[in-house]
Amino acid sequence: EAQVTQNPRYLITVTGKKLTVTCSQNMNHEYMSWYRQDPGLGLRQIYYSMNVEVTDKGDVPEGYKVSRKEKRNFPLILESPSPNQTSLYFCASSPQVEETQYFGPGTRLLVL
Amino acid sequence: GIQVEQSPPDLILQEGANSTLRCNFSDSVNNLQWFHQNPWGQLINLFYIPSGTKQNGRLSATTVATERYSLLYISSSQTTDSGVYFCAPAWDSNYQLIWGAGTKLIIKP
Repeated sequence: EAQVTQNPRYLITVTGKKLTVTCSQNMNHEYMSWYRQDPGLGLRQIYYSMNVEVTDKGDVPEGYKVSRKEKRNFPLILESPSPNQTSLYFCASSPQVEETQYFGPGTRLLVL
Repeated sequence: GIQVEQSPPDLILQEGANSTLRCNFSDSVNNLQWFHQNPWGQLINLFYIPSGTKQNGRLSATTVATERYSLLYISSSQTTDSGVYFCAPAWDSNYQLIWGAGTKLIIKP
């Protein structure tokens, strides 16, 4: 089944404890991105990747890192999480930029 | 940049009713998408419809790019149709989707 997967789906952590949210797609898509969704603020892009080894900042990159070493994987890294990073996170992919975008199931993160 | 307006912001219907959701945009577009976010938070791509009409089961969408609007039709609503429907008519210069604020739909049994 063609899909975007994310893990974990739910995570409660404490301030400063490094974490990684994995994202993988099995559709051979070139473009991948990370969003966070907060009440009243909508979906905001954190980072995106046009292709392997090519990543760039979105609107809200502070406090996050990404890497794109393989086409299928695009992990999101929070080196030192803070409570203001509590949010719902989505990974998405599309065949190329500006084409149909497919979203992962989301990761609910709570930072205490 | 492009402005996106979705209407109505909220809609409450009884199961079985039909509905029309609208997305207006301020500039020409070439890759409009409709998404459904269900009450559990999952975002599902419904249509990629830069122009014309598409149908998928009880859902259909029409985009009239020259008049800068798109419509999403839901027929014979079911409770599982509840959630927020987003229109994303374009990508900005930083390769990010531009999103509307959404229409929150509640289908009552």
